[in-house]
Amino acid sequence: EPEVTQTPSHQVTQMGQEVILRCVPISNHLYFYWYRQILGQKVEFLVSFYNNEISEKSEIFDDQFSVERPDGSNFTLKIRSTKLEDSAMYFCASSVGGTTQYFGPGTRLLVL
Amino acid sequence: DAKTTQPTSMDCAEGRAANLPCNHSTISGNEYVYWYRQIHSQGPQYIIHGLKNNETNEMASLIITEDRKSSTLILPHATLRDTAVYYCIVRDYNQGGKLIFGQGTELSVKP
Repeated sequence: EPEVTQTPSHQVTQMGQEVILRCVPISNHLYFYWYRQILGQKVEFLVSFYNNEISEKSEIFDDQFSVERPDGSNFTLKIRSTKLEDSAMYFCASSVGGTTQYFGPGTRLLVL
Repeated sequence: DAKTTQPTSMDCAEGRAANLPCNHSTISGNEYVYWYRQIHSQGPQYIIHGLKNNETNEMASLIITEDRKSSTLILPHATLRDTAVYYCIVRDYNQGGKLIFGQGTELSVKP
């Protein structure tokens, strides 16, 4: 069964550094999403992406964040200058027609 | 904010049916009820969704009341591996809409 994959599974970085989280959505899916979950808190929506542009973004998704689909298979989330409070699990999701979303296993980001 | 209300936690004996309730009294006509679960800190796993009819798949059954203001997810024969946080999410059927997660119900399946 096709799955969403994410790399790396864990990332440790220093505050102020740039990180890129990578996702490979399910191959025939057209809608892509990033969510995050701070330890012990709810899963929070960050951004949705369709037709090579952002469809919707949350208040969390400020100028420090960007997303890109650099080729036909990858979907990336970049954090330009990480802060301590960016430490969280980051989940990528995709859907074929914008309905049921399927999630990847997540990237655990730790900012020191 | 999440548009659903769920109990914080529930217990279920292994092999018994787990019935997880959800209230969504403000649901509108074009909104679906989705259920996901999250085991430890893994990615949320899609379980089932429905609009107004009851639905069943290989994982679970979804019973939606006639007025659509509440629903129940049924795991017919719970196993220890079903221990997870279960999220009931109401979502507009517009294409691409985000999922808004609440706190969910922490289900503990006990031997």
